[in-house]
Amino acid sequence: QVQLQESGPGLVKPSETLSLTCAVSGDSISTYCWSWIRQPPGKGLEWIGYICNSETTNYNPSLKSRVTISVDTSKNRFSLKLTSVTAADTAVYYCARGGGSPGQWGQGTLVTVSS
Amino acid sequence: EIVLTQSPATLSLSPGERATLSCRASQSVSSYLAWYQQKPGQAPRLLIYDASNRATGIPARFSGSGSGTDFTLTISSLEPEDFAVYYCQQRSNWPHIFGQGTKLEIK
Repeated sequence: QVQLQESGPGLVKPSETLSLTCAVSGDSISTYCWSWIRQPPGKGLEWIGYICNSETTNYNPSLKSRVTISVDTSKNRFSLKLTSVTAADTAVYYCARGGGSPGQWGQGTLVTVSS
Repeated sequence: EIVLTQSPATLSLSPGERATLSCRASQSVSSYLAWYQQKPGQAPRLLIYDASNRATGIPARFSGSGSGTDFTLTISSLEPEDFAVYYCQQRSNWPHIFGQGTKLEIK
């Protein structure tokens, strides 16, 4: 049974870079696509992007200029970097397996953007 | 960008009743529509994929139907644990948009 666990700072200052990692166990990171999805407090879900085959990426056009998703096959994990953050980027960030309709999700991690 | 509109925004029902949730797409998504359940403080849980296929471990009381632009999630007889927020999501076009959610609450 695959398990996903997000990790990273819970507080990021405005204009800085948000960096999160998703550790994957029970499955190879080289298989499947892997996604980042976020949810602002009390609001709906927004797909940030996904990576397939450890190299092919697809980013939400609304975030494309600020997002990078990458894979570290040696550590079986994938990462999210979001630059120039503002308060609007405050959200629970989820990692998930799949680029279409993910069936396995991490528990999520709250990232607050504030000085 | 495809827009998904869910209705109603809130649905108040009692355990044992039948729930019918709707999701309408602004353009055809074929059968590439999924349904998720989310409880407070938890990640979304995939219930239905490709309009009518139950995900692994999902009880038979959950069913999905529809194609094109109109989709329905039906819960045949509500259990206490079914009261939650439900989202539809399309994977026909990128970005893969979610609907705004339907809150299913206890009456």
